[in-house]
Amino acid sequence: AQKITQTQPGMFVQEKEAVTLDCTYDTSDQSYGLFWYKQPSSGEMIFLIYQGSYDEQNATEGRYSLNFQKARKSANLVISASQLGDSAMYFCAMREYMEYGNKLVFGAGTILRVKS
Amino acid sequence: NAGVTQTPKFQVLKTGQSMTLQCAQDMNHEYMSWYRQDPGMGLRLIHYSVGAGITDQGEVPNGYNVSRSTTEDFPLRLLSAAPSQTSVYFCASSGMGRGSTEAFFGQGTRLTVV
Repeated sequence: AQKITQTQPGMFVQEKEAVTLDCTYDTSDQSYGLFWYKQPSSGEMIFLIYQGSYDEQNATEGRYSLNFQKARKSANLVISASQLGDSAMYFCAMREYMEYGNKLVFGAGTILRVKS
Repeated sequence: NAGVTQTPKFQVLKTGQSMTLQCAQDMNHEYMSWYRQDPGMGLRLIHYSVGAGITDQGEVPNGYNVSRSTTEDFPLRLLSAAPSQTSVYFCASSGMGRGSTEAFFGQGTRLTVV
């Protein structure tokens, strides 16, 4: 079963505007972590933001914020004031904590293009 | 400050050949994992390890072997390469605790099987 679903294969946003990238997840665990990564055209994976399942407030990191709606199992990434350098692939990921460790699984990704 | 070192960066194999992708981390992370990235599929987990001597299968383990003899190293072996294994491979490591244990990634290996 698909654990992480990113329904937007591609998105366009005008420079300086805000954009929301969608992510829904599936887990029966109470304790888990949600992550967003950025992959520019150069290929490296860049960590952006983390949200723990027990965190009551939405995570924020500079221009990035995570809109966490636990009951709906969604963890959308909001990028404010988009910049040309935000053009990249964005991955949502979930870490499930198991008895003997944990594993991190990713969604299919969303390609974001920022227009000038 | 090496982080996660993954080699090689590029590789071309003939069908049936074997090879090992190397991954080493210097952050004393217990958790290490291998992913493959294919267009439209995101990163799919191949194998992962929660410590030396402990490995487990991910979503797409067939055709790949791993072992974890030390905390630092987690090589990925292709015993008999197939064109379907053409992909970009990433190694990642992280701590095990709950919380913001982000995964640190290697630079990736672009593998082509002809």
